[in-house]
Amino acid sequence: TQLLEQSPQFLSIQEGENLTVYCNSSSVFSSLQWYRQEPGEGPVLLVTVVTGGEVKKLKRLTFQFGDARKDSSLHITAAQPGDTGLYLCAGGGRGSRLTFGEGTQLTVNP
Amino acid sequence: DVKVTQSSRYLVKRTGEKVFLECVQDMDHENMFWYRQDPGLGLRLIYFSYDVKMKEKGDIPEGYSVSREKKERFSLILESASTNQTSMYLCASRLPTTEAFFGQGTRLTVV
Repeated sequence: TQLLEQSPQFLSIQEGENLTVYCNSSSVFSSLQWYRQEPGEGPVLLVTVVTGGEVKKLKRLTFQFGDARKDSSLHITAAQPGDTGLYLCAGGGRGSRLTFGEGTQLTVNP
Repeated sequence: DVKVTQSSRYLVKRTGEKVFLECVQDMDHENMFWYRQDPGLGLRLIYFSYDVKMKEKGDIPEGYSVSREKKERFSLILESASTNQTSMYLCASRLPTTEAFFGQGTRLTVV
């Protein structure tokens, strides 16, 4: 079973601060996705990274895929209360399976 | 607007009951998944299906079975519900390499 480890598990910061969430594995993934989940809802895709070393930006969010395609990071600049939620990384592997990390619960306080 | 719909948002069942969780998608996706979500454990794959009548065990299939008689519908069955199956259950569908679309989840409580 491919495993993804996310850190930190919990993060509570003040509005305007920057933060980074990490997603690591000992396995190589064909692609890596980041999802955000709000209470009472299913996860929603933020981004997919496919190429080792790839960097994608989505407004204040920057996603990076490691060169060896085993790890990824999500960096948020100037966090806002609307960024509060559960962030999940998911690795694409055998067939159509998606393996999810444990999630990072982010709280941005006004 | 693409949709994955789970039949119930909340369910309360008694220990030993047979429980059916239903999921329907309208995107003509081949692949459908059932996950359970518990605090600190992320989403754990129970079963997935890559075609009608085809299924494959995920990481935690014990105590569960599934049925996919039609492409759009994927059912999760708890043969004899137990308290350790109290959890949030999420259904998802996707094409082989694209994003997964999730339902809103079913919060199941077994008492």
